[in-house]
Amino acid sequence: DVKVTQSSRYLVKRTGEKVFLECVQDMDHENMFWYRQDPGLGLRLIYFSYDVKMKEKGDIPEGYSVSREKKERFSLILESASTNQTSMYLCASIQGISPGELFFGEGSRLTVL
Amino acid sequence: AQRVTQPEKLLSVFKGAPVELKCNYSYSGSPELFWYVQYSRQRLQLLLRHISRESIKGFTADLNKGETSFHLKKPFAQEEDSAMYYCALKVGNTDKLIFGTGTRLQVFP
Repeated sequence: DVKVTQSSRYLVKRTGEKVFLECVQDMDHENMFWYRQDPGLGLRLIYFSYDVKMKEKGDIPEGYSVSREKKERFSLILESASTNQTSMYLCASIQGISPGELFFGEGSRLTVL
Repeated sequence: AQRVTQPEKLLSVFKGAPVELKCNYSYSGSPELFWYVQYSRQRLQLLLRHISRESIKGFTADLNKGETSFHLKKPFAQEEDSAMYYCALKVGNTDKLIFGTGTRLQVFP
C-alpha cells in the first residue's frame, strides 16, 4: 500500500512564526503536491514538484514556499504565518503511470492565532 | 479558463433513493475527469475516473462533452455513502488536478 505520511496532524502557531509541514511518501513517486482544503473552497493547489529540487507554483502560492531535497520528502514552508493561513493542508503524491490517482496524506490542520 | 464547478454544497437523501452529484467543467483541451471521496476521518481517495468507465461501489459517472458535465450517479444510496465528494480535472500533460468545491452527501436511514 502506498503510504503518504504527514508528520504533524495538528499544529497551533502564532502570527509571524515560521511553520514547516513535512510530507514523506514511501513508493518512490516522482510527483508530489501540496493542497489546502477549506470548506466551501474545496482543494486548492499551492505548489507541486515533479522531481528533486524542481518545483512549480500552483494556484495559490503566495505566502508559501516548498523544498524537495530528496525524492521521498516534500516540505511546505510558511515563512511568516498569518491567520488567513489557518487551514487543512493535504500532501499527495503520484507515480504518473496511473493517471489522476493521487495518494493523499491524512492532512495537517494548522491554526494560526 | 480551467474550472470545475460543483453547484451543490450539500445533498441529503434517504437510503434507497437515487443520487446524482453534479459536476461541470471548463477546459479547452480533451478533458480527463475524476471523482474523489473523503469519508469521515479518512484520507481523500480516488473513487473513479472517466477513462475507466467503471462502476465503483455502485457509482457511475459519464463524461458528456456537449454539456461539459461529469455527474456522479448511484441508483440506490446507502448510509455508508455519506461522505464528501470532489470532482477533479486533470490539466494538460501534467499530473496536476483542479478540484471542485465539493459536495457533502448525507444519506439518512
